[in-house]
Amino acid sequence: EAAVTQSPRSKVAVTGGKVTLSCHQTNNHDYMYWYRQDTGHGLRLIHYSYVADSTEKGDIPDGYKASRPSQENFSLILELASLSQTAVYFCASTPDWGQDTQYFGPGTRLLVL
Amino acid sequence: GDSVTQTEGQVALSEEDFLTIHCNYSASGYPTLFWYVQYPGEGPQLLFRASRDKEKGSSRGFEATYDKGTTSFHLRKASVQESDSAVYYCALSDPSNTNKVVFGTGTRLQVLP
Repeated sequence: EAAVTQSPRSKVAVTGGKVTLSCHQTNNHDYMYWYRQDTGHGLRLIHYSYVADSTEKGDIPDGYKASRPSQENFSLILELASLSQTAVYFCASTPDWGQDTQYFGPGTRLLVL
Repeated sequence: GDSVTQTEGQVALSEEDFLTIHCNYSASGYPTLFWYVQYPGEGPQLLFRASRDKEKGSSRGFEATYDKGTTSFHLRKASVQESDSAVYYCALSDPSNTNKVVFGTGTRLQVLP
């Protein structure tokens, strides 16, 4: 069974503070993704990675950084959190790019005050 | 660019009703089409997918047929149950456009007992 875990599951942050969201997968997948989910927008791709120590920008990368220190771990970093970054964040992994099923984690609910 | 349009933001039905959720897509190439389902408190999970014209995907009583002529992949179920209450996402992966997965905005289905 594919397994993607995220931590924390929820977080309250202050505007201007630094937030790090973590993702861990035991699928042995090369590709990992970060999405944000907002009502009316669905799932939008923030960053992705296809190999350790390398990350790529997705569709909405502004205000976010990503880090892939190992095949299993992928972090999303908000250096200066803003109110507009309040959302639910999902991590996902796939063995290949695009064509394959995406395996999602349970999500992190972030509230920026 | 590639896009997926889901016209229904919310659908409310009674048990045993017939369900249709509309999905239309725009892609430069020949995409793979997906339906994902997201239950409360969980990440999205694949319902099924289809890769070629006239192919029918199906799972758990849900089905959709890839129609290249009308660029559609409508989700249908003959008799919904309360346990089907969830958010449904249509998505595509276009190999001629970076293979990125593009999600629709989602449709929230509420089935009343």
